[in-house]
Amino acid sequence: EVQLLESGGDLVQPGGSLRVSCTASGFTFRTYAMSWVRQAPGKGLEWVSGISGSGGTTNYADSVKGRFTISRDNSKNTLFLQLNSLRVEDTAVYYCARQGCSNGLCYLSSWGQGTLVTVSS
Amino acid sequence: ETVMTQSPATLSVSPGDRATLSCRASQRIGSSLAWYQQKPGRAPRLLIYDASTRATGIPARFSGSGSGTEFTLTIGSLQSEDFAVYYCQQYHDWPPVTFGGGTKVEIK
Repeated sequence: EVQLLESGGDLVQPGGSLRVSCTASGFTFRTYAMSWVRQAPGKGLEWVSGISGSGGTTNYADSVKGRFTISRDNSKNTLFLQLNSLRVEDTAVYYCARQGCSNGLCYLSSWGQGTLVTVSS
Repeated sequence: ETVMTQSPATLSVSPGDRATLSCRASQRIGSSLAWYQQKPGRAPRLLIYDASTRATGIPARFSGSGSGTEFTLTIGSLQSEDFAVYYCQQYHDWPPVTFGGGTKVEIK
């Protein structure tokens, strides 16, 4: 069974930093691309960032480019998101998701339960 | 960026009735469309990918159709556990993948 467990969410002041993690089990982690998706309170879903299975390719939403960094440690089956220069509007539940692919195009096949990041003074 | 628009925002349906949810893409995306279900306080769950393929374990009452720019999710004979918010998502042109704003299916 695929399991994704996020951690690291916290209350942070504007301008601060935080690293959230996602520990994976139940599948061969290194062979799957992964993404982070966030959801602000009472709002819809917003894709944040994605990373290839090897970690060699990363992508970011314009709203976080230059401030967030996605990475992974395949030896520890763990995905990371480093959040820097945090803004109030970054307040959200952050979900990690495993990508499933069809003909090279990838959807989000499995999701973790999320971790809450609150940016407030 | 491909903009996804869902309608209606809220759909009031009686248990046992059929629900039809719409999703429109701002440009052609082939069949690269997924549908997700989200219940309050829970993570989204994949229902449909490639516009019409049900994910593992998804009941047959959920069906997807469409291609290009117009897509539909149909829930036949709504069960109590189906009342939730549903999101469509395109993965044809990324980054970024983009989601629709969601349709809330509520009890009439």
